[in-house]
Amino acid sequence: EAAVTQSPRNKVAVTGGKVTLSCNQTNNHNNMYWYRQDTGHGLRLIHYSYGAGSTEKGDIPDGYKASRPSQENFSLILELATPSQTSVYFCASGDRAGVDTLYFGAGTRLSVL
Amino acid sequence: QQQVRQSPQSLTVWEGETAILNCSYEDSTFDYFPWYRLFPGESPALLIAIRPVSNKKEDGRFTIFFNKREKKLSLHITDSQPGDSATYFCAADDTNAYKVIFGKGTHLHVLP
Repeated sequence: EAAVTQSPRNKVAVTGGKVTLSCNQTNNHNNMYWYRQDTGHGLRLIHYSYGAGSTEKGDIPDGYKASRPSQENFSLILELATPSQTSVYFCASGDRAGVDTLYFGAGTRLSVL
Repeated sequence: QQQVRQSPQSLTVWEGETAILNCSYEDSTFDYFPWYRLFPGESPALLIAIRPVSNKKEDGRFTIFFNKREKKLSLHITDSQPGDSATYFCAADDTNAYKVIFGKGTHLHVLP
């Protein structure tokens, strides 16, 4: 069974503060993704990675950085959090060998006050 | 630019009815179309998927109908159950390059 673990599950941050969202996968998948989910916008891709050491910009990367220090771990970093970044963030892993089913973590609910 | 469009945004049906969720896309390079389902408080999970070589994919009560020429597809949920109430995301994937685009989702409510 695919396993993607996100931490924290809930986070309250102050405007201008730094926030780090962590993701760990035990699927040995090469690819990892960060999405945010907002009502009326669906799932939007922030950053993704093809493997350890790589990060790529997705569709809405502004205000976010990503780090992939190992095959298993992929972090999303908000250096200066803003209220507009209040959202639910999902991490996912997948393998591009053929059909790429995405396996999502349980999500992190972030509120920036 | 919205590459994957879903309609309706919200859909309410009675238990036992067929729910029809629509999706359309723009880019002809998309070659794989998964549908993900999201229950409140849970993670999106793959429900069913289709490749353009087929015009229909069936899995139990869930069926995808695909029209390549019109770049449209739909998800039919027959004999809808209250437990089907969730948000359904249509996605389009270019498997030759990284490009997975999700639609905005359809909120399905099945009333008992």
